[in-house]
Amino acid sequence: AQSVSQHNHHVILSEAASLELGCNYSYGGTVNLFWYVQYPGQHLQLLLKYFSGDPLVKGIKGFEAEFIKSKFSFNLRKPSVQWSDTAEYFCAVNAPTGTASKLTFGTGTRLQVTL
Amino acid sequence: DAGITQSPRHKVTETGTPVTLRCHQTENHRYMYWYRQDPGHGLRLIHYSYGVKDTDKGEVSDGYSVSRSKTEDFLLTLESATSSQTSVYFCALRGDRSYEQYFGPGTRLTVT
Repeated sequence: AQSVSQHNHHVILSEAASLELGCNYSYGGTVNLFWYVQYPGQHLQLLLKYFSGDPLVKGIKGFEAEFIKSKFSFNLRKPSVQWSDTAEYFCAVNAPTGTASKLTFGTGTRLQVTL
Repeated sequence: DAGITQSPRHKVTETGTPVTLRCHQTENHRYMYWYRQDPGHGLRLIHYSYGVKDTDKGEVSDGYSVSRSKTEDFLLTLESATSSQTSVYFCALRGDRSYEQYFGPGTRLTVT
C-alpha cells in the first residue's frame, strides 16, 4: 500500500519569502502525484499534478513541483509567497491500478504567511 | 469547479442516531468517493464507488455504509453515530480518463 509523508506540519513565512514544502511517498511502481490546497473554510482545490514526462510541473498561482523519482519526492515550491497563500497544502499519490485508483493523502502542511 | 453539491452542509446530531449525507453531481462521472478530514490525519477514504451499485471500502469504513442507486447521487450513512465520527466529510469525483479528483464543499458533522 502506498503512503505519503509531509514532514512540515506548520510553516510560517513572511510575504515575499520563498516556499518549499516537502512530500515523500512510498510506492515502488508508477505513480501519479498531486498537490491540493485548502483555503480556510473551503474545499480542496487541485494545485498541480504529475503523471509523466517533464518532472518539473507548473500549477496555478505560481506554484511548481519537482518529481524526483530516486528520492520518492514531490516537493512544492513557490519563489515568492503572498498573504493570500495562507492555507493548508496536501500532497497525494495515486497508484493507477485497481478499480478506482484511490488517492492517498499526506497529513497536510499548514502555511501561514505574515505581512 | 466540478458540479458537486453536498447536503446538509452542517449537522449536529446525538450519539446513537443514524445520519445520511448526500453527494450529488451533475458531471455524469463514474467514480465517486467519500473522505473524512480530521486534524493531524489529512483526508482518509471511507468508501468509494466505481459505478451504479458498485461500491467498495476505504481505509476507515467501520461504522459507515454507502449506496449509489443512480449515477448522480452517492449517499453516506452513519448507522449509529458516535462522537468519534465528528468530522468534516468531503465527497469527490473523478472522470473516466483522468486520475485527479475534484472535491465538494464538505459537510461538517458534530456528534454530541
